Amino acid sequence: AQKVTQAQTEISVVEKEDVTLDCVYETRDTTYYLFWYKQPPSGELVFLIRRNSFDEQNEISGRYSWNFQKSTSSFNFTITASQVVDSAVYFCALSGLYGQNFVFGPGTRLSVLP
Amino acid sequence: DVKVTQSSRYLVKRTGEKVFLECVQDMDHENMFWYRQDPGLGLRLIYFSYDVKMKEKGDIPEGYSVSREKKERFSLILESASTNQTSMYLCASTKGYPGGYYEQYFGPGTRLTVT
Repeated sequence: AQKVTQAQTEISVVEKEDVTLDCVYETRDTTYYLFWYKQPPSGELVFLIRRNSFDEQNEISGRYSWNFQKSTSSFNFTITASQVVDSAVYFCALSGLYGQNFVFGPGTRLSVLP
Repeated sequence: DVKVTQSSRYLVKRTGEKVFLECVQDMDHENMFWYRQDPGLGLRLIYFSYDVKMKEKGDIPEGYSVSREKKERFSLILESASTNQTSMYLCASTKGYPGGYYEQYFGPGTRLTVT
């Protein structure tokens, strides 16, 4: 069975600090996809990034970066120079090839204080 | 812009009532999903559908059924609502088959309270 663990339930940082959100996954599939979603206080989940299991290149998008390591089954998300607008619940998710095995982690609530 | 809409943001029902939650997407997506979101548990998949009239059980289908008569519409039905079905319900859609690659687009959610 597929599983996603986000060990950090809540994190609080002060604006401009860097913060890393951890994600560890379990799957027996050889082809799979990892995602990060953001759920701001308004409630609607927003897609941030996808990685497939064959692409371990790290990715940077502005202040956001993602570190995918198959050896440790981790897909961590770092926000550099955090801002108040980054306050949200962040979900890591895992999907098999056919999407029906889509599994979300429990989420990490990030609070960025001014 | 992809748009996924849900019929209600807030709903209050009594125990034993039949409840319909409606979801509509306007991007011709093949796949549609129903999740419930509870604190500390993340999102749990109830049902999904990869085509009209097709449905597959997710992780927690008990007490729920679904209907997909048209491609753009996916309904979640609580046959006899119970208090443990009080939750936030999220609908999502995604294109393509197989659908694992594509990101999901979510609706705003329906917060259902069963009293």
